[in-house]
Amino acid sequence: GDSVTQMEGPVTLSEEAFLTINCTYTATGYPSLFWYVQYPGEGLQLLLKATKADDKGSNKGFEATYRKETTSFHLEKGSVQVSDSAVYFCALTSGNTPLVFGKGTRLSVIA
Amino acid sequence: DVKVTQSSRYLVKRTGEKVFLECVQDMDHENMFWYRQDPGLGLRLIYFSYDVKMKEKGDIPEGYSVSREKKERFSLILESASTNQTSMYLCASSGPGTRNTEAFFGQGTRLTVV
Repeated sequence: GDSVTQMEGPVTLSEEAFLTINCTYTATGYPSLFWYVQYPGEGLQLLLKATKADDKGSNKGFEATYRKETTSFHLEKGSVQVSDSAVYFCALTSGNTPLVFGKGTRLSVIA
Repeated sequence: DVKVTQSSRYLVKRTGEKVFLECVQDMDHENMFWYRQDPGLGLRLIYFSYDVKMKEKGDIPEGYSVSREKKERFSLILESASTNQTSMYLCASSGPGTRNTEAFFGQGTRLTVV
């Protein structure tokens, strides 16, 4: 079945550091790919998405590019802030299936 | 604004109790989902529904059931709560279809079974 593998955390960075969270996937067909973010005490909210190969999703300074050849969708941000501290989930949906999530990566940004 | 509302943020129940977790969405979405979130395991799908009175098992349905009598409401039922069902429960909705469509999540219900 479909699956998502993302780097294990926690990840701790200083403010203004560069962030990469790796995500790779296994899926039949051509999935749509998503990054969700969960701030402390809250539910998940969509951060960005990409629906076909070579698409780049972006939001709030975060970016991820759908790479079909490497089956990857890595999340990047050039300069993180303390307010970016959260848990980040990579996810996919393929065909008419519910979202499948990775295990999440906790990011802590220190001032 | 899009909204998925779960009836409780925190619940404490006793072993063996029947527990109802309620979820309501105001977006006229066809699809609704229940996930549980546990440290180190991410989100796992319990049940989902693509239409009223319709339900499908997810990856971990054992010990749970669901009800969808109205389009906007999707209830998760723990028939006889056990301590291993202590978890964060997240409801989500999306539609129409699932391809390319994002899911909107509620704020979660943290259930403790003692």
